[in-house]
Amino acid sequence: EDQVTQSPEALRLQEGESSSLNCSYTVSGLRGLFWYRQDPGKGPEFLFTLYSAGEEKEKERLKATLTKKESFLHITAPKPEDSATYLCAVRGAGGSKLTFGKGITLSVRP
Amino acid sequence: DGGITQSPKYLFRKEGQNVTLSCEQNLNHDAMYWYRQDPGQGLRLIYYSQIVNDFQKGDIAEGYSVSREKKESFPLTVTSAQKNPTAFYLCASSEGQRDYSNQPQHFGDGTRLSIL
Repeated sequence: EDQVTQSPEALRLQEGESSSLNCSYTVSGLRGLFWYRQDPGKGPEFLFTLYSAGEEKEKERLKATLTKKESFLHITAPKPEDSATYLCAVRGAGGSKLTFGKGITLSVRP
Repeated sequence: DGGITQSPKYLFRKEGQNVTLSCEQNLNHDAMYWYRQDPGQGLRLIYYSQIVNDFQKGDIAEGYSVSREKKESFPLTVTSAQKNPTAFYLCASSEGQRDYSNQPQHFGDGTRLSIL
């Protein structure tokens, strides 16, 4: 059974204070690891897909990296508008379904 | 603009009542999904459909039903058999019919269902 664990559960940063969010996973035959951002009362917004260890993707202040056991979402010089819940999900070789972690709630203070 | 539209945004259910949540997409995606989100838990898959007139149960299908008569529509019915229906329901869609499709899923903005 595919499993995803995200840590920490919540993270509070000062504006400009860089940090990383962790997503640890176990999956049979990784077909893709997905990062999403979710604002309160909204649906998740797709950020990145990573397919193989060593791959990196960047978008503005966000950079996602992947190893064989975990993925990191690095946030450089965050701003208050980066405050949201960040979800990680994996798709294994078993089918099209995604397995989601519980999410990390990020709060960035001005 | 292309996207996924869920309605209504808020829904209230009485005891013994069935309610239907609407999900429409104009992205021309083949696959559609329904998830349930509860506080402190990850998204859990209820049902999914990879092609019109076909759908499969997810991890928590009991007490729910779906239909897929049109490519753009995937309504979810929460039946009276679902004893704990209060949750945030999310619909998603993705390209590709194949099980090994690696396309990301794109989400609507959800329906919040509560019990009266």
